[in-house]
Amino acid sequence: NAGVTQTPKFQVLKTGQSMTLQCAQDMNHEYMSWYRQDPGMGLRLIHYSVGAGITDQGEVPNGYNVSRSTTEDFPLRLLSAAPSQTSVYFCASMGVGARGGNTIYFGEGSWLTVV
Amino acid sequence: SQELEQSPQSLIVQEGKNLTINCTSSKTLYGLYWYKQKYGEGLIFLMMLQKGGEEKSHEKITAKLDEKKQQSSLHITASQPSHAGIYLCGADGGSNYKLTFGKGTLLTVNP
Repeated sequence: NAGVTQTPKFQVLKTGQSMTLQCAQDMNHEYMSWYRQDPGMGLRLIHYSVGAGITDQGEVPNGYNVSRSTTEDFPLRLLSAAPSQTSVYFCASMGVGARGGNTIYFGEGSWLTVV
Repeated sequence: SQELEQSPQSLIVQEGKNLTINCTSSKTLYGLYWYKQKYGEGLIFLMMLQKGGEEKSHEKITAKLDEKKQQSSLHITASQPSHAGIYLCGADGGSNYKLTFGKGTLLTVNP
């Protein structure tokens, strides 16, 4: 997981609280994304970005906001946490170049529990 | 949107046995990634396949890409307990770098 740093690693939230999951990469990658992983569901794309100032929705965007003000950072915001957002969150980055020819780097994951 | 279907969903084998996990895409594959995940941990990159017919190996794990079938297979030879975990395939099959993943295959290797 070289180069992609996620914080915090563990977090417990109360329903209705807000928080931001941080993701930073130092590889100058254009592409960054957030996934959530739930039992039996695999990795589901929440939001992604192909460059600073550009973001788009993935498969499960509701309840989450993102912004990409710099190439390095891609924070994920939960505005009003709900128990359904209890999950493991992974940030990923990838260099954009030859199609399909770039390794995806993942952060180590953030375990979020909403009570 | 692209969908990746992995089979089987779970697999229990005896140590020393060979096994195969498949990943089938609903759309053209531009790149296929295999990752392994230990329960409660992050994702470990195994290998990436780009071209039809490409085959890569790492230790006792071999992956192949069949472009025509839009499918990749992951083969483990002489499985060991250290191979146990969740295997995930991921792909970039669209025009906007939306990377999608299969739901994973849970592998258990009994000593």
